[in-house]
Amino acid sequence: EAQVTQNPRYLITVTGKKLTVTCSQNMNHEYMSWYRQDPGLGLRQIYYSMNVEVTDKGDVPEGYKVSRKEKRNFPLILESPSPNQTSLYFCASSLSWGKTGGGYTFGSGTRLTVV
Amino acid sequence: AQSVTQLGSHVSVSEGALVLLRCNYSSSVPPYLFWYVQYPNQGLQLLLKYTSAATLVKGINDFEAEFKKSETSFHLTKPSAHMSDAAEYFCAVSNQAGTALIFGKGTTLSVSS
Repeated sequence: EAQVTQNPRYLITVTGKKLTVTCSQNMNHEYMSWYRQDPGLGLRQIYYSMNVEVTDKGDVPEGYKVSRKEKRNFPLILESPSPNQTSLYFCASSLSWGKTGGGYTFGSGTRLTVV
Repeated sequence: AQSVTQLGSHVSVSEGALVLLRCNYSSSVPPYLFWYVQYPNQGLQLLLKYTSAATLVKGINDFEAEFKKSETSFHLTKPSAHMSDAAEYFCAVSNQAGTALIFGKGTTLSVSS
């Protein structure tokens, strides 16, 4: 089944403790991206990657890191999480970047709470 | 810069009634527009997309949307609401570089029997 898999689904952590949220897709997609969803704000892009070893900042990259060493994986790293990073996170992928690459496939989300 | 405005954060309809969710966009170039649905505790699912072909776009579950350039609108409709349509709906536009979707703040649809 074609899908984007995120882990974990739920995570509670303490301020300052490094964590990684994993994202993997099995569709051979070039493009992958991370969004966060907050009530009343919709979804905002954190980082994106157009291919292996090619990543760039989205609208809200502060406090996050990413890497794209393999085509299928795009982990999101929070090196020193803070309470304002409490949010619902989504990974998404698309066959290619550019306008025709719209119609992303989303993962099921990771609900992160930082206390 | 591209942006999306969804009018009404919450819409309530009766089962069998027409569903109308409003979306207006701002774009300096011909836009690529999308509607997504999010059911509780799930990710976003693509309902339909406009990519400059037909202005009336049909999607899944009998949803459709009409691109109106003169009104800069892309409203989502469904002739007859079902209880299972209760969810949050997001309108989105592709940014000019094609590297991101810019989402509206969402509209929660409630369906009563």
